[in-house]
Amino acid sequence: AQSVTQLGSHVSVSEGALVLLRCNYSSSVPPYLFWYVQYPNQGLQLLLKYTSAATLVKGINGFEAEFKKSETSFHLTKPSAHMSDAAEYFCAVSESEGYQKVTFGTGTKLQVIP
Amino acid sequence: NAGVTQTPKFQVLKTGQSMTLQCAQDMNHEYMSWYRQDPGMGLRLIHYSVGAGITDQGEVPNGYNVSRSTTEDFPLRLLSAAPSQTSVYFCASSRTAGAGRKNIQYFGAGTRLSVL
Repeated sequence: AQSVTQLGSHVSVSEGALVLLRCNYSSSVPPYLFWYVQYPNQGLQLLLKYTSAATLVKGINGFEAEFKKSETSFHLTKPSAHMSDAAEYFCAVSESEGYQKVTFGTGTKLQVIP
Repeated sequence: NAGVTQTPKFQVLKTGQSMTLQCAQDMNHEYMSWYRQDPGMGLRLIHYSVGAGITDQGEVPNGYNVSRSTTEDFPLRLLSAAPSQTSVYFCASSRTAGAGRKNIQYFGAGTRLSVL
């Protein structure tokens, strides 16, 4: 069965510092992997997704993630944090091609310190 | 282009009451779905629809009903609300059910429901 683990429910970084949000997945087949962002009192917005093409995926707002099969990881990074990046981030996995089979992680809240 | 619109934004119910959460999209999307979000649990799929007249159960369907009479609307019904249904509910839509590279799922802003 597929699953995803986000390490760290809360992460704090200084403005301008590297953002690294960790996600490890479990899947019996090559997965689809997603990162979503949720700003306060809003719905989720797709940042990026991996669908078995390039292993380094670039998304919106300067974020990117690298699919590492050997480590079963899909960590989200951004070189320089902005105050506007403060939000909750969700990693998700799907073993099939359908959105109805996506499993979400429990989320990581990112705090950006001025 | 309004995207995915959910109403109401907030609702308080008493145990045993019924209500309908509304969801509408104006993007002519075939696939629509309902999730609930609880603290520390991420999002869990309640029901979904791949087109008008077609619905199916997700991970946590008990206590909820859905119907899809039009492409635009996908209401979620709570027939007899229970405190365990206190949650934030999100509706989402995408062109099709396929999660491929070019098919993005769009989320509404959510309905915050409290059942007393």
